[in-house]
Amino acid sequence: QKEVEQNSGPLSVPEGAIASLNCTYSDRGSQSFFWYRQYSGKSPELIMFIYSNGDKEDGRFTAQLNKASQYVSLLIRDSQPSDSATYLCAARRAGTASKLTFGTGTRLQVTL
Amino acid sequence: SAVISQKPSRDICQRGTSLTIQCQVDSQVTMMFWYRQQPGQSLTLIATANQGSEATYESGFVIDKFPISRPNLTFSTLTVSNMSPEDSSIYLCSVETFGTDTDTQYFGPGTRLTVL
Repeated sequence: QKEVEQNSGPLSVPEGAIASLNCTYSDRGSQSFFWYRQYSGKSPELIMFIYSNGDKEDGRFTAQLNKASQYVSLLIRDSQPSDSATYLCAARRAGTASKLTFGTGTRLQVTL
Repeated sequence: SAVISQKPSRDICQRGTSLTIQCQVDSQVTMMFWYRQQPGQSLTLIATANQGSEATYESGFVIDKFPISRPNLTFSTLTVSNMSPEDSSIYLCSVETFGTDTDTQYFGPGTRLTVL
């Protein structure tokens, strides 16, 4: 079992819709969770992080964390074609010198 | 966030040779990391570059193959030694900055390596 799992996609959503990206993790010691966006041929770009149960909103992005279910999600409202990218979920354990464990990423396609 | 640069941005190398990749940050950072991203795959941590001491390598990565230097708080190098086509990958430097909520990692632009 992979430590951080994501559906590889592609996830296709029409422009203006809500895109929902999901991530599960197996290590209950994971404390912080990060979402990165990676455009083709580019390096990952941090979108947001979350470490408390519940929702965290930043502009069009909302991260959701449910530690009991070991589930993290990223919602993108009013999806734009420029949101088309691969979204990487990463988890970090408490006290492990900042090591991030990445999922394989979900490719999002926003269609016109 | 810190501004991170890497050199070279890409290179094509012959098998058996070595390549050194440089990572420069515009501010002092405590933690620097080196990752590898093979085609179509996610990021795998190679090692943590420790300032003034030997790097800490992840399982499956060894110093002889991937020697790392970290002479100061703004600079690190990763060498890919005795390269084979299997080393063709994107190599990414990342740095960690301390925040009020949590520490976050930011990535450099990457070095795309092709080994023939």
